Formats: sequence, structure tokens, C-alpha cells
Amino acid sequence: GIQVEQSPPDLILQEGANSTLRCNFSDSVNNLQWFHQNPWGQLINLFYIPSGTKQNGRLSATTVATERYSLLYISSSQTTDSGVYFCAVDVVDSGYALNFGKGTSLLVTP
Amino acid sequence: NAGVTQTPKFQVLKTGQSMTLQCAQDMNHNSMYWYRQDPGMGLRLIYYSASEGTTDKGEVPNGYNVSRLNKREFSLRLESAAPSQTSVYFCASSDQGWQYFGPGTRLTVT
Repeated sequence: GIQVEQSPPDLILQEGANSTLRCNFSDSVNNLQWFHQNPWGQLINLFYIPSGTKQNGRLSATTVATERYSLLYISSSQTTDSGVYFCAVDVVDSGYALNFGKGTSLLVTP
Repeated sequence: NAGVTQTPKFQVLKTGQSMTLQCAQDMNHNSMYWYRQDPGMGLRLIYYSASEGTTDKGEVPNGYNVSRLNKREFSLRLESAAPSQTSVYFCASSDQGWQYFGPGTRLTVT
């Protein structure tokens, strides 16, 4: 099956810093989503981005489908950004079921 | 509009006991999914239902059965629980786009 690799696995930032999280995938994908899992375990949709660039406030994402990677940018980080960020992809004829990476664990300190 | 709801939130079982995890969505989505999340891992697909009346195995289906009761409801059954099934279980739904997740069920098998 498709492999999804995220880097870095762990990241510690001071409040106000910027960061870039990366997601590489091993095959063509139908769809790519970024999620934030907060410290209470809830999965929050951030972006639906099979290709191109999208922005939502301090967060933005870029997917380059031809090179099989996606980037999530967090600017001016806040303590509430802490948690685990997951990249997930689905492939054609899979019923849109998602294949997840292992995530990037982010801790933003005051 | 509650989105995706799951019951129960927590459950402790003894090895060999059975139980059913319930999931319902009110977004009129065709597709529903069950995932499990183990510590330090991304989510892994157990089963999915691309539409009412169909179900398919995912990456880790052994030890589980599912029922797509109607368009709204998709249940996951453990017939004879094993300690290896200790995990957090997430239900999700989608309609060929964003995938939305429930709050999860934390299951411990002793």
C-alpha cells in the first residue's frame, strides 16, 4: 500500500516562532488532508488539499502532487497550536479511506 | 447538527468479552469508516462502508466485524476482545471530500 512519511517526528517551538511540517507519499493520491489532534484527542480538519496552496489564518498548506509531497506552514505559533499534526491521503478506488502518517508532535512553549 | 457521534466514550473489557461500538452521522454522507489509533501511531483503517449496504476490509480487520445499519449508522463489533485490541477507536464519515471524525472511544482490554 501507499506509504506516508512525516517529518520531523517531534518539534518544540517558542511562542511566536514559525515552522514547516512535511509529508511525503509514495504514490499518486486522490486526496490529501491535514489534521490537528489536540491534547484531548479530538481530530480537527485543517486542509483538504490534493494540489496547490491554501491559507487559513496563520496556517497554510501546499501540495505538489507531481513530486509527492505536502507542506504545512504554521506562522506566529501559539500554545494552542500544540498537539499532533497528521497528514493523510487516499488513493483511487479505495472508497476515500485515508492512509495516515505517524504525525508530527508539536509543543509550543510560552 | 452534531456531526459524527460515538458511544461509548470509554470502555473496559475483560479478555473474551464482546461489545459493539456505535457510530452515527447526521451529514447525509455516503461513506463511513472505522479507524484505530495506537500510541505513537497514526490512525489505521479497520473497515469502511463506501455506501449503504456495502462494507470492505481495511488494513487491520482481524478480530472485528461491522454493520452498516442504514445511511446514518455504522457499528463496529468485537466478538472476543483481546488485549491487542486496546486502542482508541475513531469513526469517520465523508462524501468524496473532507473526512470528519467522531470524538473517539477509548477501549481497554484486560
